[in-house]
Amino acid sequence: QSVLTQIPSASGSPGQRVTISCSGSTSNIETNYVYWYQQLPGAAPKLLIDRSSQRPSGIPERFSGSKSGTSASLAISGLRSDDEAEYFCAAWDDTLGGPVFGGGTKLTVL
Amino acid sequence: QVTLRESGPALVTPTQTLTLTCTFSGFSLSARGMSVNWVRQSPGKALEWLARIDWDDDKYYTTSLKTRLTVSRDASKNQVVLTLTNVDPVDTATYYCARMPLNEGNTGLDYWGQGTLVTVSS
Repeated sequence: QSVLTQIPSASGSPGQRVTISCSGSTSNIETNYVYWYQQLPGAAPKLLIDRSSQRPSGIPERFSGSKSGTSASLAISGLRSDDEAEYFCAAWDDTLGGPVFGGGTKLTVL
Repeated sequence: QVTLRESGPALVTPTQTLTLTCTFSGFSLSARGMSVNWVRQSPGKALEWLARIDWDDDKYYTTSLKTRLTVSRDASKNQVVLTLTNVDPVDTATYYCARMPLNEGNTGLDYWGQGTLVTVSS
């Protein structure tokens, strides 16, 4: 059971916009930054969204993040076939004293 | 260019001690605010943070595994070592090391190693 909650799967057609949500609590998302990671099959996670809404260098503008209260969202616009991956949210947890992760959302591009 | 690479045994017998090494380059763990973390991912499951070692040698562990984990560093070799004692089949996972620069409130893992799969089985 993950500390942060994500829906297991999402899908969209090429060119569409999809949103992936992440739910937490006051000890993590509400009071700390949220991070999003993309994990392609067989690869290590890659930082996609930094500090809730910032894109690291090299990440396309198609990817955006937001946070409100104890929830956060990742939006992907102009969906492409190579966006097919698992997406994890993460946030520092003040109770644990370390980062906690969501269970991951597997995105399928139809 | 920042890189991290995990190494260690692919197979460990239950009750043994697992030792993993993270060899990194492109940054200094002695730089103020820098840290290296260990995260694992059980097959088909979510990510789990395990431990962290900071630039000043402070160490932090996840609560559930605190009694079994030890993290240490060899600054001269740019390496961080994780040991997990008394392993069990539930410890079967891909183990990653990842960098977390703690400056300006950041708590994101910005560079990851490729991971090493460890299977615990007799």
